[in-house]
Amino acid sequence: EAGVAQSPRYKIIEKRQSVAFWCNPISGHATLYWYQQILGQGPKLLIQFQNNGVVDDSQLPKDRFSAERLKGVDSTLKIQPAKLEDSAVYLCASSLVPTSGPYEQYFGPGTRLTVT
Amino acid sequence: QKEVEQNSGPLSVPEGAIASLNCTYSDRVSQSFFWYRQYSGKSPELIMSIYSNGDKEDGRFTAQLNKASQYVSLLIRDSQPSDSATYLCAVLSISSGSARQLTFGSGTQLTVLP
Repeated sequence: EAGVAQSPRYKIIEKRQSVAFWCNPISGHATLYWYQQILGQGPKLLIQFQNNGVVDDSQLPKDRFSAERLKGVDSTLKIQPAKLEDSAVYLCASSLVPTSGPYEQYFGPGTRLTVT
Repeated sequence: QKEVEQNSGPLSVPEGAIASLNCTYSDRVSQSFFWYRQYSGKSPELIMSIYSNGDKEDGRFTAQLNKASQYVSLLIRDSQPSDSATYLCAVLSISSGSARQLTFGSGTQLTVLP
């Protein structure tokens, strides 16, 4: 079974530029998550999709971050304009529909973003 | 604000010893608990999940849950240098809007010395 795919793996941009990350979840996983992980901290949830609808985006800085999941499969996360404090690893994860029972999330390799 | 606290590291143990990692959480109604292992420069990897009070064993790993004390732990028996990593505790809770989401601790860095 293929895992969660993400691209690019690394990105370096200057502040005020824009950047986009792509994620393809595990086949059959209806729920997709974007996390931000700053060095030395645990992942922090930015947004959660179920199929192509947003379930929770309460921690997404909506003035600069946006995300979409068209057709309920792939997803993109965009930052525009980027700030120095956005330097982090952006992780995508997926899980089966977590309405009940096991709620195990599986992570992709992440995109390491450096904003200079 | 739901919080997950892990014992401060870094933690060093000799090869073959038992490593004990601890985690407390603030949301009393949390029902599901997870341990992830994260090697340096890699993404988190799920190694254990536990849903009911007591112990759950999987190979050299044992997860322990005490909901009354809001405490979850991970024991690693016969620690190996390959176990050297950061271990993240994650707790499932209900966010605003009834969405279920994981809250992660900041991790405990474990080093197993040969």
